[in-house]
Amino acid sequence: GAVVSQHPSRVICKSGTSVKIECRSLDFQATTMFWYRQFPKQSLMLMATSNEGSKATYEQGVEKDKFLINHASLTLSTLTVTSAHPEDSSFYICSAGETLYNEQFFGPGTRLTVL
Amino acid sequence: DAKTTQPPSMDCAEGRAANLPCNHSTISGNEYVYWYRQIHSQGPQYIIHGLKNNETNEMASLIITEDRKSSTLILPHATLRDTAVYYCIVRDLTGGTASKLTFGTGTRLQVTL
Repeated sequence: GAVVSQHPSRVICKSGTSVKIECRSLDFQATTMFWYRQFPKQSLMLMATSNEGSKATYEQGVEKDKFLINHASLTLSTLTVTSAHPEDSSFYICSAGETLYNEQFFGPGTRLTVL
Repeated sequence: DAKTTQPPSMDCAEGRAANLPCNHSTISGNEYVYWYRQIHSQGPQYIIHGLKNNETNEMASLIITEDRKSSTLILPHATLRDTAVYYCIVRDLTGGTASKLTFGTGTRLQVTL
């Protein structure tokens, strides 16, 4: 299957700082990428849909000014958590839509810890 | 909201078949049944999907009832590495690659020796 990478795999930051997470499709182009958040012992919750060259579409309850998404190319989407607070500590996972098989392939996730 | 119901947990002995059920009684005609699994602290992994016919691949088999209101994922010979949370998801592919996946709570499968 297609490969999606995320960087960094884990990050620890101080409260009030901003953190950028990258999601890359390594061997295919992705017009659409998705960002999920997963708290411990819970399921994945879709945060936003990222479209190359246009603004992201956010799910209800997700603050677009806090979670900035940029999808500048067909292989890269970034999620920036601005002014992070401890409650933003979570496992952030991206997925990319692959056209040939109409599938979503997931990245390995980024564990964010805000102190 | 997820449109599927799954048992929260199941156990299976290594080498035996693992049969994971899923109810999706409100599935519409253009929605597919997808199965993903998530091993601890990793991203979800695609397993299989189907519309109305039974499907089989190198990982698993998917059995969908004739009325499409339920399905069963079968791992024919479970190994310890199959221990994971398994998610059954109904997905409308009208939007192509932009079609969302809505994850429910899934079934935590524990494979034991």
